[in-house]
Amino acid sequence: QKEVEQDPGPLSVPEGAIVSLNCTYSNSAFQYFMWYRQYSRKGPELLMYTYSSGNKEDGRFTAQVDKSSKYISLFIRDSQPSDSATYLCAMSFRNSGNTPLVFGKGTRLSVIA
Amino acid sequence: DSGVTQTPKHLITATGQRVTLRCSPRSGDLSVYWYQQSLDQGLQFLIQYYNGEERAKGNILERFSAQQFPDLHSELNLSSLELGDSALYFCASSGFQETQYFGPGTRLLVL
Repeated sequence: QKEVEQDPGPLSVPEGAIVSLNCTYSNSAFQYFMWYRQYSRKGPELLMYTYSSGNKEDGRFTAQVDKSSKYISLFIRDSQPSDSATYLCAMSFRNSGNTPLVFGKGTRLSVIA
Repeated sequence: DSGVTQTPKHLITATGQRVTLRCSPRSGDLSVYWYQQSLDQGLQFLIQYYNGEERAKGNILERFSAQQFPDLHSELNLSSLELGDSALYFCASSGFQETQYFGPGTRLLVL
């Protein structure tokens, strides 16, 4: 069993839809959780960074962490064609500034105009 | 722009050869990480340096090595290259209590 599982998709939605992206993990020692967005042939770009269970909102993006279920989610409201990218969940055992990240394989999202 | 730079952007070489990938971290960041991204494995951590010292090692092959120089730039050396080494190689950097910022990557193709 991989440490971090993420459905690779592809996921195709119409413009304006609410998108839900998810990851599950097996190691309860993970404490920090991140979502990165990666456009084709580009480097991953940090979207959200959370520590505790609960929700964190930033504009159209909401990150949700449920440590009891070992489950994290990213919601995108009012999705736009510019949101079309691969979304990677990542997590670390300690503050990610000092420790390597463990990534899911990424979910490819297409938002159709 | 994350502030992390990587050169070259693309590299095409033959099996058995050796290449060097270069990374310059964001200004002031002491930690540098190298990751490999392939279609089947996703993003995999290779190695971390902190202020010139090796800090953590992932599933890095013995044919691969890295170092971080006094000016904090880092190099990843890949030798005896095999077809399966074809991948995107990313460098990331971070400050002490910050998350990691990724460079644009080097695309390596081994023929």
